[in-house]
Order: sequence, then C-alpha cells, then structure tokens
Amino acid sequence: QSVLTQPPSASGTPGQRVTISCSGSSSNIGSNAVNWYQQFPGTAPKLLIYSNNQRPSGVPDRFSGSKSGTSASLAISGLRSEDEADYYCAAWDDSLNGVVFGGGTKLTVL
Amino acid sequence: QVQLVESGGGVVQPGKSLRLSCAASGFTFSTYGMDWVRQAPGKGLEWVALISYDGRNKYYADSVKGRFTISRDNSKNTLYLQMNSLRAEDTAVYYCAKEELSGSSSADYWGQGTLVTVSS
Repeated sequence: QSVLTQPPSASGTPGQRVTISCSGSSSNIGSNAVNWYQQFPGTAPKLLIYSNNQRPSGVPDRFSGSKSGTSASLAISGLRSEDEADYYCAAWDDSLNGVVFGGGTKLTVL
Repeated sequence: QVQLVESGGGVVQPGKSLRLSCAASGFTFSTYGMDWVRQAPGKGLEWVALISYDGRNKYYADSVKGRFTISRDNSKNTLYLQMNSLRAEDTAVYYCAKEELSGSSSADYWGQGTLVTVSS
C-alpha cells in the first residue's frame, strides 16, 4: 500500500481535460513539494512536473500541476492519444526521511 | 546530453549479494544527489535510496535499510548500490536517477534500468 493515494485508473476522450489526484499527509505533501512522472510501458519514468507546478523544458503546457493542503493534482488538457501512460506522484516524507510515491494512475484515452 | 547507464543486474539466489553500478555522463556528477528507484514486475515505482552530491548523506527506504548500501565515486562518475541478503521481493527493474536542483526531491533524468531477479 502506497503512502500517497492515487486512483488506479482515469480516462478521457481526445481533446478533453482530465485530472489525476494524489492524496497524502502533513509529513509529505503537506510540507514538501509534489512531483509528477509519466511512464510508458517498458520505458523509464520521465519527470513531468516538479515543485508542485513547474514544467521541465520540453514538457507541453497542456500538463499542469497544483497543490492544496495535503493533496495535489495533475491536469492534462487537450488530451491526446499519446498521453496514454502511467502517471505517478511523489514527494519527500519528513517522517520516513525518504521519497514516497503514489501507486500510479493508468490513463486511457478512449 | 545527460546519460545514465545501469549495469550489474541478473539472476541471484535468495540471501546472496549483488552490486549495481550506474555510469553517469553529460553533467557534473559531483554536484548532484542521486537516487535508486525500483519497479517490481507489473507494479508501481518504489524509491530505494538517495545519496547527497558529496556522499555524506544517505537515505534508505525501510524495506532495504540494513541490507542495501548506496555509494558513489565522484572521480569515476559512478553510482553504486550494494545489495545484500536479497529476497524474492527485491526482484525488480532498478533505475538510477539524477536529482534536479530545485530542492523538490525530483529526479529529472533516469537510466534505462537493470533487471534484478532473486530466485532459487
């Protein structure tokens, strides 16, 4: 069982806006930055959002992140078929003294 | 460009040891913290360990504490993970990753991963 809680699946149609939630606690999301990763089958994860809402160079602005209290969200607007992947949230946990991940959300583009 | 290349994976019996390496290039290795993250077959990501840029500070997941040791050789631009007393549940693809500098504990570059299978 993961320290951060994500829905196991999400879906949307092309062009739609979808959001993926990530719920934690005061020791992780509540006091540290949230990061999001995208992973395609058989490949390494890719950093999508860091420091709650910052996009690394090359990440389209269709992807955005937000945080409020002990929860965070990843939003994908203008959904495309190539966005079909697994998405993970992560944050430092002050109690565990380490990084914690969500269980991952499999996004399906219908 | 940043490159991280893991090696050392393979099949090992329970209770045995294995050392993973991660060769880094394309950036100033000695100025960045580094992580090991693993992914069991069909499962999600699990953070394993983090080492500071100078090797002085090390952090471990509870699941590997006391069995795994992270280290680095900045003169060789190489990260290591010494894995002892291996268990079946350690079977996973192991990724090394470079920490990004914002202080958010994010990893902005990842290797391709090396598979460790613990089985008798």
